[in-house]
Amino acid sequence: DQQVKQNSPSLSVQEGRISILNCDYTNSMFDYFLWYKKYPAEGPTFLISISSIKDKNEDGRFTVFLNKSAKHLSLHIVPSQPGDSAVYFCAAEGTSYDKVIFGPGTSLSVIP
Amino acid sequence: NAGVTQTPKFRVLKTGQSMTLLCAQDMNHEYMYWYRQDPGMGLRLIHYSVGEGTTAKGEVPDGYNVSRLKKQNFLLGLESAAPSQTSVYFCASRNPSGPGELFFGEGSRLTVL
Repeated sequence: DQQVKQNSPSLSVQEGRISILNCDYTNSMFDYFLWYKKYPAEGPTFLISISSIKDKNEDGRFTVFLNKSAKHLSLHIVPSQPGDSAVYFCAAEGTSYDKVIFGPGTSLSVIP
Repeated sequence: NAGVTQTPKFRVLKTGQSMTLLCAQDMNHEYMYWYRQDPGMGLRLIHYSVGEGTTAKGEVPDGYNVSRLKKQNFLLGLESAAPSQTSVYFCASRNPSGPGELFFGEGSRLTVL
């Protein structure tokens, strides 16, 4: 059973609007959460992260929100740009900080 | 800036053949990982290593073996390839100082006929 879930396989957004990508997790021992971005034929690259002691982390156009009681996090991209079109993976790890578990990914298309 | 390098990039195997994927990193990272990416399944952890000479099982370890004889290298072996192992394989590495980002290679596409 997947411990990290991304229930939307794909998302389409107009350029300039907000993109919201969602992620749910089942393991209450997860302590740290990360978002990765992946272009075709390339390896994933780190985007932004958040610790379980925080509920928000911001980096430029990217903001991650964490609702620990609901075991839910979301990535907001504002404003969305065509270059943001990629697959976004949510990932989580526990306090031992060794295994990193990924979700199935959401494919974002930003339409010009 | 090599970062994480995977060899080979592409390989086609017949069922039952064996092969080894090599991952090399030049960032002096302690931790190394092997993932496979399949449609609808995302990235699933196969095996990982927290230091030279150590290995541990991930989410989907069956049918694979790994070795970490040198700090900079992490090898993934398929002893008897099966069509279900057709996938794109990614290696990653990172430092162990608390949580943090993984650095990924470009991937190795393996097809088992």
